[in-house]
This record gives sequence, C-alpha cells and structure tokens, in this order.
Amino acid sequence: SQQGEEDPQALSIQEGENATMNCSYKTSINNLQWYRQNSGRGLVHLILIRSNEREKHSGRLRVTLDTSKKSSSLLITASRAADTASYFCATVPSNTGKLIFGQGTTLQVKP
Amino acid sequence: EPEVTQTPSHQVTQMGQEVILRCVPISNHLYFYWYRQILGQKVEFLVSFYNNEISEKSEIFDDQFSVERPDGSNFTLKIRSTKLEDSAMYFCASTSSGGKSYEQYFGPGTRLTVT
Repeated sequence: SQQGEEDPQALSIQEGENATMNCSYKTSINNLQWYRQNSGRGLVHLILIRSNEREKHSGRLRVTLDTSKKSSSLLITASRAADTASYFCATVPSNTGKLIFGQGTTLQVKP
Repeated sequence: EPEVTQTPSHQVTQMGQEVILRCVPISNHLYFYWYRQILGQKVEFLVSFYNNEISEKSEIFDDQFSVERPDGSNFTLKIRSTKLEDSAMYFCASTSSGGKSYEQYFGPGTRLTVT
C-alpha cells in the first residue's frame, strides 16, 4: 500500500492564482511534512504539521491536516513563477522516524 | 544558516565497483538518514542512524549497503558492488535531538550513475 499519495499529479496555473495540492496517507502518523524540489535539485523543507494540529501557516503557505480522513492539503497563495517545482508530502509514521514520501505534484506557474 | 552538504555531486562508476557517498550533516544534529530517488520516481527511505548505530533500514538496504560515521562530522553510505539499478539520486538528511518530531534537513544530493 502507498503512503502519501498526492493529488493532482500535475498542476498548471497562472501567476497570482492559488495552488492547492492534496495528500492522503494510510497509517497513523507523528507528523506530516511538505517539501519542494526544483528539477534535479535537493529537497527543501517547507512546513511540518504535527498530528495534533489542524492548520498551520508559513508566509504564503497554508497546510491543513485531517487525521480522521488521513489527508492533508498544501495551499500556495498568490503563486509566483519561482514556485514552479515538484511538491512532496512526507509522513512520519507513529512507530518510526523515517519519512515516507508520496509521488509528488508537479506545479507549473506561468508568468 | 547551517546546511547539510554532500560530495561528490555526481559520481559515475562501473557495475561491480564500490562507491562511497559522503555527507556532512548539520553540526548539532544527532539523527542521520539516507534516501534515494530513482529518476522520475518518489524519494525512498534507505536507512536511519543514531548513536553510532543503524536504528532502522528498508528492504532496499541489503548487505551491499553500509553506513558509517567515521568521525564527528562525516556520515557515509557505501555500496560494495554497484548494480545498474543503483543509479539514482542519493540524499543525506539530518535532524536534531528531537528525532522524528522535527524537520529533516536534506543535502543537495549525489547523482550516482552506474554504467
């Protein structure tokens, strides 16, 4: 079974629009983290939300977590061309310290 | 701002050869990880390391793989006899004393190409 499935797989929007990406997972978690990866580059940590939190903000990022539905969403407001990248959710299951990544959402922001 | 560094950025090796990938985690971090990403696929966990021993490993991390923290700063991943399917981007990560409750900071990765 897959942990951390993202939806949609690809998203193309105009600069200034909002982008919403969703993530679903299967096991109980300690926390869920979102990462960004520019093409061929490393993973940049964006935000961490703990299992007892429902919403978190960081600049133009808003993350929600619904543990009853085992899902999370990442909202990027007022997108910029520089936001073009792949976005991954990664869960830390309750009984482990490793990150389990989803397949990611490829976001393209057109200027 | 402190960061995780990795060397080399790109390693090309022939099948059957040994490779060592090097990482320098953030200095006050205590938990260390290796992940890999095959081109076009998702990032996969390989191994975690704490207090000078492996704390967890995946099915991918078989006898061909080993990790070591030879001194107070470096953290290495060794592949004894590389296979074509080991070609991937390898990422090192570290986190603070909080372990799983805290962000993992990733290095820029080493692209390993096995020919």
